[in-house]
Amino acid sequence: DSGVTQTPKHLITATGQRVTLRCSPRSGDLSVYWYQQSLDQGLQFLIQYYNGEERAKGNILERFSAQQFPDLHSELNLSSLELGDSALYFCASSVRAGGDNEQFFGPGTRLTVL
Amino acid sequence: DAKTTQPPSMDCAEGRAANLPCNHSTISGNEYVYWYRQIHSQGPQYIIHGLKNNETNEMASLIITEDRKSSTLILPHATLRDTAVYYCIVRRRRDRDDKIIFGKGTRLHILP
Repeated sequence: DSGVTQTPKHLITATGQRVTLRCSPRSGDLSVYWYQQSLDQGLQFLIQYYNGEERAKGNILERFSAQQFPDLHSELNLSSLELGDSALYFCASSVRAGGDNEQFFGPGTRLTVL
Repeated sequence: DAKTTQPPSMDCAEGRAANLPCNHSTISGNEYVYWYRQIHSQGPQYIIHGLKNNETNEMASLIITEDRKSSTLILPHATLRDTAVYYCIVRRRRDRDDKIIFGKGTRLHILP
């Protein structure tokens, strides 16, 4: 158990819908990262927040958005869902931003778009 | 594009040392080498990281060449539970624009 929690574990929805994925970082961690893992694309970095501020952006679609709240939990919002958005979504946290500290990953949310 | 190159798969006998190579020939002086592993569809698990020197922890050892263009992750006594996909990544030290790139990793099979 990494200490990072993600809800829900599974989510099934239809094309065109909007969903929100939630992540609670480890106690004391200020940085949160979101990743998407689909079968054909591997693990793709989406976005990073540090203490509420966006710090890095990866291959995140415009239909997706995220934020980190004052209590440091984060949400990833996915809208106008397409079949290709079906994937595992992981959240990770670390104490600081920057590449000199390790990330701890949550168990993931499996999103299925029908 | 991934900044690291790893063999797609490797086999190792149970109880032997597993040596997983990684090429990162374009690494810059302020980039760390990290290793993670992913068992089935679980969240990736941090293993070890280093900048210049070799590192060891309770899970593994990391050997970085002097020119820093490649590294090797060593699992000293592999068990069946070490069967996983192992990812080698490089990360900038800076705390902004740290766009982390995971490649396809190495699928390690531990053979009984």
